[in-house]
Amino acid sequence: GQNIDQPTEMTATEGAIVQINCTYQTSGFNGLFWYQQHAGEAPTFLSYNVLDGLEEKGRFSSFLSRSKGYSYLLLKELQMKDSASYLCAVMDSNYQLIWGAGTKLIIKP
Amino acid sequence: GAVVSQHPSRVICKSGTSVKIECRSLDFQATTMFWYRQFPKQSLMLMATSNEGSKATYEQGVEKDKFLINHASLTLSTLTVTSAHPEDSSFYICSARDSGGDSNEQFFGPGTRLTVL
Repeated sequence: GQNIDQPTEMTATEGAIVQINCTYQTSGFNGLFWYQQHAGEAPTFLSYNVLDGLEEKGRFSSFLSRSKGYSYLLLKELQMKDSASYLCAVMDSNYQLIWGAGTKLIIKP
Repeated sequence: GAVVSQHPSRVICKSGTSVKIECRSLDFQATTMFWYRQFPKQSLMLMATSNEGSKATYEQGVEKDKFLINHASLTLSTLTVTSAHPEDSSFYICSARDSGGDSNEQFFGPGTRLTVL
């Protein structure tokens, strides 16, 4: 079956760095997405990785290793507004998104 | 950037009534749109894939006669929750893929909060 695993909840301190991991097992692979979702709102796009390596975009970076079925989202210089759920999603061979359950990130002052 | 709108953003209705939710891609054409449902503190659950000009593809366990999907144009898909009941109360989110783009990214609408009394 298809499976996306990510931690349920993480806590970090304002100004610090946090890494949210995602492992996946899917039928085929057409890219991995990270989305941010604030409570009561729709997800917003953060990053897309289809090749191995690190993609950096401002304070956020995303890494992919296809051979390991592994990705992480790295958030630097954490701000209180970064408190949200972070969703990992993999696009399978049918171009359908398989979603992880999301990681709730709590930022403390 | 690509924008997807949803209407209404919130709806409260009585049990037994039907509710229609619209999803529009504002600045791009979307051959394919997706309808998701999200219960509190849970992940997105794909309900169906909406294809312009053809029947929607429903996920296992989703009643197609209850959740009617119409994708009549390249910029509009509608989801109608028929004979809504309190257990249908949820956050419904649509997304769309840019037919003319070279990315697999899905652009999400802002969501519709449905409360059935």
